[in-house]
Amino acid sequence: DIQMTQSPSSLSASVGDRVTITCRASQSITSYLNWFQQKPGTAPNLLIYASSTLQSGVPSRFSGRGSGTNFTLTISSLQPEDFATYYCQQSDITPWTFGQGTKVEIK
Amino acid sequence: QVQLQQWGAGLLKPSETLSLTCAVYGGSFSGYYWSWIRQSPGKGLEWIGEMNHSGSTNDNPALKSRVTISVDTSKNQFSLRLTSVTAADTAVYYCARRVLWGIIKCPAFDIWGQGTKVTVS
Repeated sequence: DIQMTQSPSSLSASVGDRVTITCRASQSITSYLNWFQQKPGTAPNLLIYASSTLQSGVPSRFSGRGSGTNFTLTISSLQPEDFATYYCQQSDITPWTFGQGTKVEIK
Repeated sequence: QVQLQQWGAGLLKPSETLSLTCAVYGGSFSGYYWSWIRQSPGKGLEWIGEMNHSGSTNDNPALKSRVTISVDTSKNQFSLRLTSVTAADTAVYYCARRVLWGIIKCPAFDIWGQGTKVTVS
């Protein structure tokens, strides 16, 4: 199975901060990388697919980049509604696998 | 707008069989893969398996021997059975639609059910 490793596991930030989350795959997944946002008590919500394409309705302050094994999710200016847990997920080879999550908390 | 609504028993005893169903409302059932994913504090998000409308499946080898996924195209529903459950199967179980997105046809779970908390005790 492809292992997905996110860092950091958690971070504290303030409204307006720029935040970057890293995701590393145990082998190359080219650009088959998705990002999800999850708030407590709800299902994950697709933010970005194919490494860098924003899902419809996702604010432009979110961006993704990377290919091969190294990927990043950046929030350019953190908003109150962005405090949540973020997961990466590889879609190159089954079994589809997820990172362990990065919890973004209010400083 | 496509919605997934899921249901099933939330409390099981060890060795029993978990059974969940997910209904698809407001959209086509064909042309997609329909997945089951679970989330537990210990293992995070774990993909269980998926099936499309014609019965083709993809499985997670870690669970394959205990998992059966089926579809009922007449009802726009799909189901999960997980046999011989243990405490390790305690989790929130989600159903989800998998779609191929973009030029590179990247598979992604774009619509999720509300989740069902299953406790094995």
